[in-house]
Amino acid sequence: DTAVSQTPKYLVTQMGNDKSIKCEQNLGHDTMYWYKQDSKKFLKIMFSYNNKELIINETVPNRFSPKSPDKAHLNLHINSLELGDSAVYFCASSQNPTSGTTGELFFGEGSRLTVL
Amino acid sequence: EDQVTQSPEALRLQEGESSSLNCSYTVSGLRGLFWYRQDPGKGPEFLFTLYSAGEEKEKERLKATLTKKESFLHITAPKPEDSATYLCAVQVKAAGNKLTFGGGTRVLVKP
Repeated sequence: DTAVSQTPKYLVTQMGNDKSIKCEQNLGHDTMYWYKQDSKKFLKIMFSYNNKELIINETVPNRFSPKSPDKAHLNLHINSLELGDSAVYFCASSQNPTSGTTGELFFGEGSRLTVL
Repeated sequence: EDQVTQSPEALRLQEGESSSLNCSYTVSGLRGLFWYRQDPGKGPEFLFTLYSAGEEKEKERLKATLTKKESFLHITAPKPEDSATYLCAVQVKAAGNKLTFGGGTRVLVKP
């Protein structure tokens, strides 16, 4: 039973299109994240939600819009895709910051986005 | 700005040849330092948390240590299944639950 699952695993699309990536966790965690891993393998945080509330919003273009319908789900919608958006996007979850360590993240397998 | 630098970028080892990976960091107010392992096509998998200088953690052939400026991940008598990219990350007190990752060290262990 997959702990953090994200779909789709691969997306190939044209510049200017809109796409969404979905993420679900069954660990009972309160905090969820989106990270971006570029071609040089650097992982950078984009957003973090705690119990459906946005708590981290890095300097990400506003074409990227996260949505958390409940604490087990965090989706990422990207408008007007650009070539530079090509990367692997990872969803992750962790315990509530007040109840345990939040550096132990559980990651999904990633969604590889290719913009042509 | 918080910085995390890992070296070397890549490491080729013979099976049984022990080695160390370095993670140096420049942060204001370290809350914790974390090591992850990432296999190709997979998400990172948590290995260790270190909170204070002098702390050590071990798991099978891996041992992580922490000083005030860097952390080492020692791989003792590695096996081919230890081949992966090892990522170091820091969490800073003023930055909530955000992790800042280094660029990773790709380790290849040949039989």
